[in-house]
Amino acid sequence: KAGVTQTPRYLIKTRGQQVTLSCSPISGHRSVSWYQQTPGQGLQFLFEYFSETQRNKGNFPGRFSGRQFSNSRSEMNVSTLELGDSALYLCASSLEVAGAYNEQFFGPGTRLTVL
Amino acid sequence: DAKTTQPTSMDCAEGRAANLPCNHSTISGNEYVYWYRQIHSQGPQYIIHGLKNNETNEMASLIITEDRKSSTLILPHATLRDTAVYYCIVRGYSGANNLFFGTGTRLTVIP
Repeated sequence: KAGVTQTPRYLIKTRGQQVTLSCSPISGHRSVSWYQQTPGQGLQFLFEYFSETQRNKGNFPGRFSGRQFSNSRSEMNVSTLELGDSALYLCASSLEVAGAYNEQFFGPGTRLTVL
Repeated sequence: DAKTTQPTSMDCAEGRAANLPCNHSTISGNEYVYWYRQIHSQGPQYIIHGLKNNETNEMASLIITEDRKSSTLILPHATLRDTAVYYCIVRGYSGANNLFFGTGTRLTVIP
């Protein structure tokens, strides 16, 4: 079974631009979560989508948004990029079995550099 | 979510057991202890989780103290491939998909 895939793997943008990152979860997984990882702040939760609805949201400004499609694929968008948005963006998917811990499977990440 | 405290870094000789401690003194009765690890430049990988009983799987063992205020992840025979940052996370089942990773312990396995 294929793992979580993220595209693109590397991206360079300039301040003020916007960017869209894509995540394809493991087949059958309905939950997709996004995380930002920086050297200063570590791994921080951005948001989670389940059945095309945002279920949880972290403490990030409104410039960070996302969506999930009917096939569970997800995209996140960052508008008006700032230098501090340079980070590794990780996507994770999980199966969602009620009453059980649903292990999160992480993709390799998209490394975004803002110049 | 309960806060966790882990040592910043640890070394372990290859082939020996690696014992990674985690303090979670404010853990509540319905919160689980999860361990993930992140090998350099890769996404985190789930290792194991537990509530109050000791748990073992093909990767590691998790020992939780009786008062549940601390736990230890044990890698029985560390290899160079186990060099990674190990995160101890405390969370209930509900909403467990928004994990708080903290700073973790950087484990270096030495040949």
